[in-house]
Amino acid sequence: QVQLQESGPGLVKPSETLSLTCTVSGGSVSSDGYYWSWIRQSPGKGLEWIGYVYHTGSTNYNPSLRGRLTISVSTSNNQFSLNLTSVTAADTAVYYCARYLTFVTKVPYYDYWGRGILVTVSS
Amino acid sequence: DIQMTQSPSALSASAGDRVTITCRASQSISTYLNWYQQKPGKAPKVLIHDASSLQDGVPARFSGSGSGTDFTLTISSLQPEDYATYYCQQSYSSPYTFGQGTTLEIK
Repeated sequence: QVQLQESGPGLVKPSETLSLTCTVSGGSVSSDGYYWSWIRQSPGKGLEWIGYVYHTGSTNYNPSLRGRLTISVSTSNNQFSLNLTSVTAADTAVYYCARYLTFVTKVPYYDYWGRGILVTVSS
Repeated sequence: DIQMTQSPSALSASAGDRVTITCRASQSISTYLNWYQQKPGKAPKVLIHDASSLQDGVPARFSGSGSGTDFTLTISSLQPEDYATYYCQQSYSSPYTFGQGTTLEIK
């Protein structure tokens, strides 16, 4: 059974960098066909796709965050990470890591999710 | 960006009712549409992918239909465990956007 687990600080100061890691167990980030993704949900709001990384290091980011965002993968640690710079209160959200499955059917979808981690941006 | 609009935003229904939730895309997305269920404090869970394909382990009372810009999620006979928020999500083009959600409440 694949499991994903987010980790990182729950409180970040404005203008600083938000850094989160997702550890994958029961599966490998090096497997072909999976895109390792970050999605966030602001309090009481809907879901926003942040971006993803492939095991080759190839990335795709939401244009609304481009310039502040870096997503990277560590195949040796079976992890992938998110760095978001210059954060503001608008970046306060529950951050989920998820696996985007692309090869079983024509239409990719998120088949496994972490439990989510609340990150609050506040001084 | 492709905008996904769900209706209604909230819905009250009783156990045993048939419920339909609608999702409309701002441009044609073929059948690149997925449905997720989210319960409070939990991560979303996929119910339907490719507009109408039931995910393994999901009860058959859930069904999806549609193509192009208009899609529906139907629950044929509402069960107590189905009270949750439902989201549609398009996988047609990046950024992969979600609808704003439909909260299903007990009547």
